[in-house]
Order: sequence, then C-alpha cells, then structure tokens
Amino acid sequence: DAGITQSPRHKVTETGTPVTLRCHQTENHRYMYWYRQDPGHGLRLIHYSYGVKDTDKGEVSDGYSVSRSKTEDFLLTLESATSSQTSVYFCAISPSGGRSTDTQYFGPGTRLTVL
Amino acid sequence: QKEVEQNSGPLSVPEGAIASLNCTYSDRGSQSFFWYRQYSGKSPELIMSIYSNGDKEDGRFTAQLNKASQYVSLLIRDSQPSDSATYLCAVALLAYSGAGSYQLTFGKGTKLSVIP
Repeated sequence: DAGITQSPRHKVTETGTPVTLRCHQTENHRYMYWYRQDPGHGLRLIHYSYGVKDTDKGEVSDGYSVSRSKTEDFLLTLESATSSQTSVYFCAISPSGGRSTDTQYFGPGTRLTVL
Repeated sequence: QKEVEQNSGPLSVPEGAIASLNCTYSDRGSQSFFWYRQYSGKSPELIMSIYSNGDKEDGRFTAQLNKASQYVSLLIRDSQPSDSATYLCAVALLAYSGAGSYQLTFGKGTKLSVIP
C-alpha cells in the first residue's frame, strides 16, 4: 500500500445533507487528488491539491469543494449531496505532479450512496 | 476534448495465451502513459508506465507506445486467471492551471477475463 487511507469506506446519506470524505497519507507527498468512478465514465478528476492550501478544479468539480490544511490530509466536501453524486470516490497521491512521469497511487476508495 | 479510448470488453482469453489490450488518445501533447489494473471492488494499481516510443517489458507485461499513431497497448503473456481484472489506460497531460502540474486522463477500461 502507498500509505493512503480514506474514511469513511462506506456511507449512505440522504439528498441535501452535507458529506465530507477524508483522505490521509503518510508519505508526505505534495500532490493529492480526488476522483470519482462511475460505470460508463471511468475515473474522472474532481479536484486536486499541489500543496497546503493550494487546490484547483478538475473535470467534474461542480457540487464539490476541497480543503487541505495539512500536508497529510485532503478533504472532499459535498455541500448538499444529490443522487447524481452516488459514486465510488478515490483519493490518489503523487510525489510531485510537476513531471509527466510522476506516478499516482490510489487509496482504497469510499463508496457513497445518496438516497 | 481530451479523450482516451479503450474497448470495454469483456476480452476473454484462455489461460496461457497472450492478452492484448489497446488504447488510443486524442491529444498529441500527451507526455506519458500508464496502465493500471483494477480488480472488482478494489482501487487501481499501477502495473506499467511508458514514456517513449517502442516497447517496454516487465515480467509477463509489455507496454508498446506509438506516438505517431497515438496508440498505446499492453500485452500480457502467459495469461493467468489472476490477471482477470479491468485494465485502465491513463495519459498524462499538462494542466493549464495550478502550478504547472500534470493530470491523468483515464480511459473507461477494458475488462479482461482469463479462462482456466
């Protein structure tokens, strides 16, 4: 394992409620990413971070916000969950991200169901 | 629109055969290419990366890259039932925001089934 944990691993919530997913790494890597994976769509980037308090949007950022107050933690928040946000969410980390050859390593995932 | 295309499969091969997985990409600025394996209900794990034209071998796996044709492939020799998984192709592209970082764009994956 690449020293990445995600919590919770499973969550069921109701439409309109706020949800926060946590990604924790022990590798001290600079870059962290949030993806969602859905049948028929593959893995899509939601947001990423290139340092403490430095974040940027990915392909499917609408309805999501992120925060990174410490190197080891990257939080993904759904301010008001919708059924379309039912998905499996993966966190990934990379030592740099400033080089095209930098590899991303994935956490175990969080399965989120919004009823 | 940056696209990475893979046949969704399922691709079925008998045990011991060669499995050939293909991937095409649309952006000629693509720098690096990765193959991830994902077992059902698990997270993607990196199995190969390739950065320059030609072949790269690692055990039973060979990655092939042809930038002129915008094509990358993964060959699995002596396929085993334990190779049954979904294989994701990923392409690294420079993001034009943030700190000049690279982002991965993934294909939808090819499901491989190795029949004993």
